[in-house]
Amino acid sequence: KAGVTQTPRYLIKTRGQQVTLSCSPISGHRSVSWYQQTPGQGLQFLFEYFSETQRNKGNFPGRFSGRQFSNSRSEMNVSTLELGDSALYLCASSFGAGGYTDTQYFGPGTRLTVL
Amino acid sequence: DAKTTQPNSMESNEEEPVHLPCNHSTISGTDYIHWYRQLPSQGPEYVIHGLTSNVNNRMASLAIAEDRKSSTLILHRATLRDAAVYYCIPASGTYKYIFGTGTRLKVLA
Repeated sequence: KAGVTQTPRYLIKTRGQQVTLSCSPISGHRSVSWYQQTPGQGLQFLFEYFSETQRNKGNFPGRFSGRQFSNSRSEMNVSTLELGDSALYLCASSFGAGGYTDTQYFGPGTRLTVL
Repeated sequence: DAKTTQPNSMESNEEEPVHLPCNHSTISGTDYIHWYRQLPSQGPEYVIHGLTSNVNNRMASLAIAEDRKSSTLILHRATLRDAAVYYCIPASGTYKYIFGTGTRLKVLA
C-alpha cells in the first residue's frame, strides 16, 4: 500500500509570494491533517480536513489555508510569504473515524524556504 | 489541551532496554495516549497507543500509570535504527495532535 505522498519535496520562494503544497493520502483514508515543523516552535497543528470539510484549525493566521478534494487529496496554500514561514510542512492521513484510537500516517514533508 | 512533559534527551546502549517517560497530568479521562517517533529527515511515525492498561506491539510496550498521569514507552532492545525523537501525545476525539518537545534518543553502539 502506497504511503502518504507530498509534492513538491523542496521549494524555494521569496517574501510576498504565495505557495501551494499538495498531499495525497493513503488510499481509503478520508482525513488529512497538516502540520508545520520549525526548529523554534516544533511541530504545530495547522488544520484537518475530512470529507472536503475543515474539522479543526490550529492557531495560524488567515494566510494559511487549505482544501480537500472529493478524492481526499489535499492542498494547503500560504499567501504573502514571510521569512518565518520557512519550515517543514507535514501532511498526515487517517481513516477519519475518530482521533482516540485512529493512527495518523505522516508523509515525508515539503521543505519550504522563504528568501 | 493536555500538556506533556518529557526529558529533552536520553542515551542508551545498543541491545539494552530503554524507558522513555512522559508526564501528562492534565490528560482527560477519555484521552488515549499515543506515542510517535520521528527519525532523522522523516515525518513522524506511529509507535503505540493505549488508554488504561499496558499495551504491547512488535515495536514497543507502553506502561500507563494507574492514575493515568504518566506513561512510559519501553523499547526492549534498542538498536541504532531507534535513534529518533519520541513524542507522547494525548489523543482526544479529534486529530489535532499537540506535539510537545519530545525526547531525543541517542543509541550508542
